[in-house]
Amino acid sequence: QKEVEQDPGPLSVPEGAIVSLNCTYSNSAFQYFMWYRQYSRKGPELLMYTYSSGNKEDGRFTAQVDKSSKYISLFIRDSQPSDSATYLCAMSAAGSARQLTFGSGTQLTVLP
Amino acid sequence: GAVVSQHPSRVICKSGTSVKIECRSLDFQATTMFWYRQFPKKSLMLMATSNEGSKATYEQGVEKDKFLINHASLTLSTLTVTSAHPEDSSFYICSVVGYRHNEQFFGPGTRLTVL
Repeated sequence: QKEVEQDPGPLSVPEGAIVSLNCTYSNSAFQYFMWYRQYSRKGPELLMYTYSSGNKEDGRFTAQVDKSSKYISLFIRDSQPSDSATYLCAMSAAGSARQLTFGSGTQLTVLP
Repeated sequence: GAVVSQHPSRVICKSGTSVKIECRSLDFQATTMFWYRQFPKKSLMLMATSNEGSKATYEQGVEKDKFLINHASLTLSTLTVTSAHPEDSSFYICSVVGYRHNEQFFGPGTRLTVL
């Protein structure tokens, strides 16, 4: 079993839809959770950074962490064609030599 | 966040040659950088941790004599793929550790094609 599981998609939605992207994990030591967006042939871009459980909102993006269920989500409201990309979840434990464990990525296409 | 550049963005070389990829932290002093490799439609695979002024730490299965890493300053780390072969063709990405715990900022990547 992988430490981090992420549905690879592909996921295709119409413009304006609410998108839900999810990751589950098995390592209860993970405390830091991130979401990255990666456009084709580009490096990942940090979208959201959260610590422990709870919600965090930034514009159209909301990150949720449920440590009791070992489940994290990224919601995108009013999705735009420019949101079409691969979304990677990443997480880390305290004192883990600064390394991240990545999900496999979900490919999202927002259709105009 | 930190701004990270990589050079070159794309390189094509013949089998047996060596290729050097530079990773620069433009606005941030980076004591730690990471090097990743990514295959098409796959996630990032950590290759090594680059620490300024000391030897890099390689992940299991990564040949340190094949992938030479030098982190000579707080703004520059280099990855040299020695005696490259077609199976080394991949997308190589570096990252810089930010201020928050385990936060990483990535470079734009370098696409290496070995003929």
